[in-house]
Amino acid sequence: DAGVTQSPTHLIKTRGQQVTLRCSPKSGHDTVSWYQQALGQGPQFIFQYYEEEERQRGNFPDRFSGHQFPNYSSELNVNALLLGDSALYLCASSLQTGSYEQYFGPGTRLTVT
Amino acid sequence: AQSVTQLDSQVPVFEEAPVELRCNYSSSVSVYLFWYVQYPNQGLQLLLKYLSGSTLVESINGFEAEFNKSQTSFHLRKPSVHISDTAEYFCAVSEFGGFKTIFGAGTRLFVKA
Repeated sequence: DAGVTQSPTHLIKTRGQQVTLRCSPKSGHDTVSWYQQALGQGPQFIFQYYEEEERQRGNFPDRFSGHQFPNYSSELNVNALLLGDSALYLCASSLQTGSYEQYFGPGTRLTVT
Repeated sequence: AQSVTQLDSQVPVFEEAPVELRCNYSSSVSVYLFWYVQYPNQGLQLLLKYLSGSTLVESINGFEAEFNKSQTSFHLRKPSVHISDTAEYFCAVSEFGGFKTIFGAGTRLFVKA
């Protein structure tokens, strides 16, 4: 049973560019959440997708957007990258009817130069 | 608004000694509580969770946490730590009926031989 997978593992971008990160949820899961984890900090909730719609959003600007596909996989897009966007981006999957238990992927390390 | 405070950023301890990692939360509604562990260069793994019922919850690798509603705490304990327990530990909270999880800043547990 495959767990949560994310791609790419590492990414280096230049300030002002755009980036797309991808996530495949654990088999059977229908909900995907994205988190940003800056160095030395806890994960910060970006947004959650269920039934291909953004269900709740954290305190992140509109430069951060996402998408969920019919197969429940998801993308996180970040436009006009800033140096402060450098972080580990974590995807977590769960069941809508579950007990809020989330399974995390290994993350994508984004470096903005 | 919810918040999570992990009272210690780093906890050094000798192997086979007991340890307690402290967590306090703030919320105006009922919550689910979690402890996650993060090993270097990896995503987060669920260690244990409190949803309802018994206030003492245990993990398969010897950790336990107790939900104290009056003190709004969910401290993590282990009676005897191993070198392999060295990792970052995150306390997290989700509100009943909500979709996002709020994480604390993390506590780095360092087990010394």
